Amino acid sequence: QAVVTQEPSLTVSPGGTVTLTCGSSAGPVTSAHYPYWFQQKSGQAPRTLIYDIYNRHSGAPARFSGSLLGDKVALTLSGAQPEDEADYYCYLSYAGVGAIFGGGTKLTVL
Amino acid sequence: EVQLVDSGGDSVQPGGSLRLSCAASGFIFRDSWMTWVRQAPGRGLEWVAGIKHDGSEKWYVGSVRGRFTISRDNAESTLYLQMNSLRVDDTAVYYCLGSGWSASWGQGTLVTVS
Repeated sequence: QAVVTQEPSLTVSPGGTVTLTCGSSAGPVTSAHYPYWFQQKSGQAPRTLIYDIYNRHSGAPARFSGSLLGDKVALTLSGAQPEDEADYYCYLSYAGVGAIFGGGTKLTVL
Repeated sequence: EVQLVDSGGDSVQPGGSLRLSCAASGFIFRDSWMTWVRQAPGRGLEWVAGIKHDGSEKWYVGSVRGRFTISRDNAESTLYLQMNSLRVDDTAVYYCLGSGWSASWGQGTLVTVS
């Protein structure tokens, strides 16, 4: 079974820019994995930020964007706000198998 | 507005059964692939099961295969998760999740096995 990898933790300054990445042990991440990015704040249900690599979900702030970055997918936060401090999860689908979450990235805005 | 409402969580003994429901509205449910996700206390998100829009294909994480069954009623816009032979390590908050532009989350329902 594939493993989906994310940075365990990252720190960004208020107003700064940070990029989170998501890779697969099974090879390059592509559109065929239908990649998602989710945000989960402490004590809350997750919410969807990005689907299918680039598409911003309804209600997701415009400062979040998705992209391909080499063999990985990436979530870029431009102009970080204190309320962006949260856990961020990547999610990849594997045809005929199901889907796998990454271990999550704990983002600190400091 | 896309809305998913999870229900059915409870406290049960090991070996027991529960059926979770997820009532959907605000999007064309019958066109959407749907997923159950869980989160054990203090842990990350775990994909549990997925179902194609018409119910013709289903997938499960290995730890629940043979014990859990995902299903859907497109006429009622409702997703289900039948959970049998529950184990202590099934304890988690369970969420339903849509797909694509309708990838909203339910509020979660707590299953405690002890």
